[in-house]
Amino acid sequence: NAGVTQTPKFQVLKTGQSMTLQCAQDMNHNSMYWYRQDPGMGLRLIYYSASEGTTDKGEVPNGYNVSRLNKREFSLRLESAAPSQTSVYFCASSGYSYNSPLHFGNGTRLTVT
Amino acid sequence: AQSVTQLDSQVPVFEEAPVELRCNYSSSVSVYLFWYVQYPNQGLQLLLKYLSGSTLVKGINGFEAEFNKSQTSFHLRKPSVHISDTAEYFCAVSLTRFGAGTRLTVKP
Repeated sequence: NAGVTQTPKFQVLKTGQSMTLQCAQDMNHNSMYWYRQDPGMGLRLIYYSASEGTTDKGEVPNGYNVSRLNKREFSLRLESAAPSQTSVYFCASSGYSYNSPLHFGNGTRLTVT
Repeated sequence: AQSVTQLDSQVPVFEEAPVELRCNYSSSVSVYLFWYVQYPNQGLQLLLKYLSGSTLVKGINGFEAEFNKSQTSFHLRKPSVHISDTAEYFCAVSLTRFGAGTRLTVKP
């Protein structure tokens, strides 16, 4: 099983450019999440989708938008990238139960210059 | 509101020594606690979880953690570490609150 697949693995953007990070899972999970990881700050939740057709803001949603395209796919869009968005982005999924653990992708390393 | 504090940002130990990675949490609701491990250039993997029941939880790779409600702690332990345990470890309460991480470095 592929689990959670993120593309691209690396990306460099100039300030003001836009891009979409793609995420797909093949575990039939209902919930999907986007996190960013910054040194010394752990993982912070950007947006999540508890089920197909719903999305909600997490701790740090400003500057981002998301789309739950179907049960498998959950994309994260940066409309106008800023240097403060330089980070490693992780997509994750979990089962229906609120205590089901997270399954993570391998991350996207984004640099905004 | 929920929060997680990992008390050590870095823990260096020698191979075959015991290790404890400390995690304190706060939560106003029932807690579900997790430890994840992140190897270089990879995503996080679940080590173990506490949902309810026995306060001593055993995970993969010989790790275990003890839930202590009175101390609001969920410390991770391993009696004898290997070089391959070198990684970053994250404590989490629920699915959305993570600690800042503890980098465990195992030296030969």
